[in-house]
Order: sequence, then structure tokens, then C-alpha cells
Amino acid sequence: NAGVTQTPKFQVLKTGQSMTLQCAQDMNHEYMSWYRQDPGMGLRLIHYSVGAGITDQGEVPNGYNVSRSTTEDFPLRLLSAAPSQTSVYFCASSYSGLGRGYTFGSGTRLTVV
Amino acid sequence: AQSVTQPDIHITVSEGASLELRCNYSYGATPYLFWYVQSPGQGLQLLLKYFSGDTLVQGIKGFEAEFKRSQSSFNLRKPSVHWSDAAEYFCAVGGSGTASKLTFGTGTRLQVTL
Repeated sequence: NAGVTQTPKFQVLKTGQSMTLQCAQDMNHEYMSWYRQDPGMGLRLIHYSVGAGITDQGEVPNGYNVSRSTTEDFPLRLLSAAPSQTSVYFCASSYSGLGRGYTFGSGTRLTVV
Repeated sequence: AQSVTQPDIHITVSEGASLELRCNYSYGATPYLFWYVQSPGQGLQLLLKYFSGDTLVQGIKGFEAEFKRSQSSFNLRKPSVHWSDAAEYFCAVGGSGTASKLTFGTGTRLQVTL
């Protein structure tokens, strides 16, 4: 049981490049979310999913895209990276909404130059 | 809209002293409230959660929190802090009607002096 696995752990991108942050969980959790963490701002919700094939926007969705083709995977795509997207990204999953709390991955530190 | 305020950005306590971290929330109905801890370079670990029932909830690592509806607060406490408790602490709020929308505060960084 690996929990929530995020890859890569570190990434440097050039402005305008695209990439996908991977997130996988092996707990059969229905709910998955992506957050970004910036100094002094806590964690902000980017996108979330309540099940395979169902996604919705969070607080800061611009510049990001998601899809949920399987229960296990919830990748986050940066369409055209910008320096403002330099952040630490966390993926989280839950069995059924907030009832049992979210399990977080260890994060991806992204730098856009 | 739901929101969380953690008024203390940084707190320093001596090892063995008691600790209280403040959290105030805004939510239109009965909230789901959480405290998470983050060690440097790590993800977030759930300390405790409140949904209903007893307003004093016990968590891991000797932490507890008290829900006070009249004050819209959910403060985290520990009777005696250990050096290993140094970390950043986040309060979060959500609700049954917004299943995946967990809103976090900006965090409180705890420093423990020996």
C-alpha cells in the first residue's frame, strides 16, 4: 500500500513549456484533488474529482488541466508554464469526500524560469 | 464562501511548555474541521478532525482541539510540547455540501526552543 504517489519530486521548466504532474493512489479512493502551496498563502485548490470521469475547478484553475480516466490516477497538466506557476504541488485523495480526511502525497516542487 | 484564518504566522515555545494554535473559520452550515501538520519538505499529515458530537476531539501525537461554534473557532492544543513538534500547522474547513472543497488557512509555523 503506497498511499498517494506523486512524480516527479522536482522539476524545472522553461516558460512556455508544458508538462504533466503525475498522481496515483492505490487506496481505491473516489475523491482526488490538486493543491498548490505558496509561502504565506497556505494551500489553494486547483482542481478536484469526485470519481472517474468527473472533474471540477477549484479556487485557482487557470493554466491547469485535469482528467480522471481511472480511479487510481489524476494527472495535472500545465498547458504553457509561467513563472507564476512556480510552487509546490500536492495531490490528495479521500475515500468519500471529507468524512475520513484527505491523504496527501509528498509533493512536487516546480520551478518555472 | 468558506474561509479559514490562522492569525499567528509564527509561534515560538519552549520544550515542555503548553501550546495553543488559533483557528477561526467561516462556513454557512455545520463545518468539517481539520488540523494538518507539515514537516519541512514533507506532505501534510492529518492530526485530527471534527464533524459533530463531542466538541473536544483528540488526535495523534498528543494533540487535541476544541470546536466552539459561538466563536467560530477550532483551536489546537497540546499540554507539553516536544522538540519534534516543530513544524507548520494548517487548519482547514469543508462541509458535506462541498465534498472535495477543503479550504486551508495560511498556516502557523511552530518553533520549539530547548
